[in-house]
Amino acid sequence: GAGVSQSPSNKVTEKGKDVELRCDPISGHTALYWYRQSLGQGLEFLIYFQGNSAPDKSGLPSDRFSAERTGGSVSTLTIQRTQQEDSAVYLCASSLDRSGYTFGSGTRLTVV
Amino acid sequence: GENVEQHPSTLSVQEGDSAVIKCTYSDSASNYFPWYKQELGKGPQLIIDIRSNVGEKKDQRIAVTLNKTAKHFSLHITETQPEDSAVYFCAATYSGYSTLTFGKGTMLLVSP
Repeated sequence: GAGVSQSPSNKVTEKGKDVELRCDPISGHTALYWYRQSLGQGLEFLIYFQGNSAPDKSGLPSDRFSAERTGGSVSTLTIQRTQQEDSAVYLCASSLDRSGYTFGSGTRLTVV
Repeated sequence: GENVEQHPSTLSVQEGDSAVIKCTYSDSASNYFPWYKQELGKGPQLIIDIRSNVGEKKDQRIAVTLNKTAKHFSLHITETQPEDSAVYFCAATYSGYSTLTFGKGTMLLVSP
């Protein structure tokens, strides 16, 4: 597609439930990144994919967080047993090289 | 790892004035410095970037300067307009590493 697409745009979930967030990068972009943006905060790195492999997952805050990427394209970020502190905007970006990120509009996750 | 500090956190200017946002970085190996603009409800958008082999780069009303010795870089916006109102993020990385480290952002408000 023309841009990075993320779905859903908004998600409200109950504490303890699992959620899946989807990112569809720009066609042909080999690198894909997940960042988290809490209210009034900067962008916190979560995980980086090159193709289908994740050479850097150092930013995942706990083992409740996992991500995968299939076919070198779509990526899914899964949060298990959600907690209130997981509430944030989750941003996905893709790039053809190691610069020039293109971000999606994000998924706003609210855990109640 | 890299650490990026950004100042000020908020900046209010009158339309037509200039605005300057400053960032410092910690890793002397960093050699790529992009700036992103984030409007409400949207993902960050790349507006300008600079690599360490140049000291200044301009694109119409925006410019970025880099001082490698002092490890700081700045965004300059001239003749500000209300549509420049947004949150601006600086970031840094080096070519051997794949992910950007972001500053915490500056909320710029341009009053008519």
